[in-house]
Amino acid sequence: DSGVTQTPKHLITATGQRVTLRCSPRSGDLSVYWYQQSLDQGLQFLIQYYNGEERAKGNILERFSAQQFPDLHSELNLSSLELGDSALYFCASSVAAGGPKNTEAFFGQGTRLTVV
Amino acid sequence: ELKVEQNPLFLSMQEGKNYTIYCNYSTTSDRLYWYRQDPGKSLESLFVLLSNGAVKQEGRLMASLDTKARLSTLHITAAVHDLSATYFCAVGYSGGGADGLTFGKGTHLIIQP
Repeated sequence: DSGVTQTPKHLITATGQRVTLRCSPRSGDLSVYWYQQSLDQGLQFLIQYYNGEERAKGNILERFSAQQFPDLHSELNLSSLELGDSALYFCASSVAAGGPKNTEAFFGQGTRLTVV
Repeated sequence: ELKVEQNPLFLSMQEGKNYTIYCNYSTTSDRLYWYRQDPGKSLESLFVLLSNGAVKQEGRLMASLDTKARLSTLHITAAVHDLSATYFCAVGYSGGGADGLTFGKGTHLIIQP
C-alpha cells in the first residue's frame, strides 16, 4: 500500500457527462500529480499541484481541470466526456515539488473510467 | 520535448535466464525511476537513480544510470515467474519547480517456467 488513496476505483458514465476523481496523498506529501494511462497513449502526465497551487501542466485537455485543497487532497474534474477519455487515471504524491531530492512519486491504485 | 524510449517493448524469457531492459532518454535529466506494474494494478516504485554511475540492486533486479549516454538499464538475473510484469522507466525533469515524470511505453515481461 503506497499510502495514496484514490476514489472511486471504478466509474462508468455516458458521453457528455462530467465526473470528479478524488485523491488523498500520503501523509506529509505536498505534491500531487495526475496521470492518465491508456492503451493508445501509455502513461501521460496531466498536471501537478504543490501545496495548493498548480505547478506544472502536461498533456491535459481543456475539458479537464484539477485543484488541490487546503487539506492537500486533490480532485480531477473531467467534463464533456468522450469515448476516448476511457482510461486508468492515477494520482501520485511526493514530498517536494522539484529537483532530484524527495521527489520519488508514490502512486495510488487508480480510477478506471469507462465512458460509454 | 523530453522523450523516453524503452526496448524491448515485449519480452518473453525462460526462468533462470538473464536479460536487460534498456531506457534511453532525449534530454538532460537529474533523475530516473523504474516502476513495476502488474495487470490492472498501480505502479510500484523499484529504483530511484539520481546520479551518473548510480547502481542499485534489489533481489534479482539491478538498475544503473549513465547520464552521459542518457541511458538506464534494468538487468534481470536468473529470472523467476514472479517477476512477470510490465516495467516502466520514467525520467524526471526539473524546471521552475515542476517535475512531472515522462514515462517510457513499458516493457511487458513474461517469464515462462
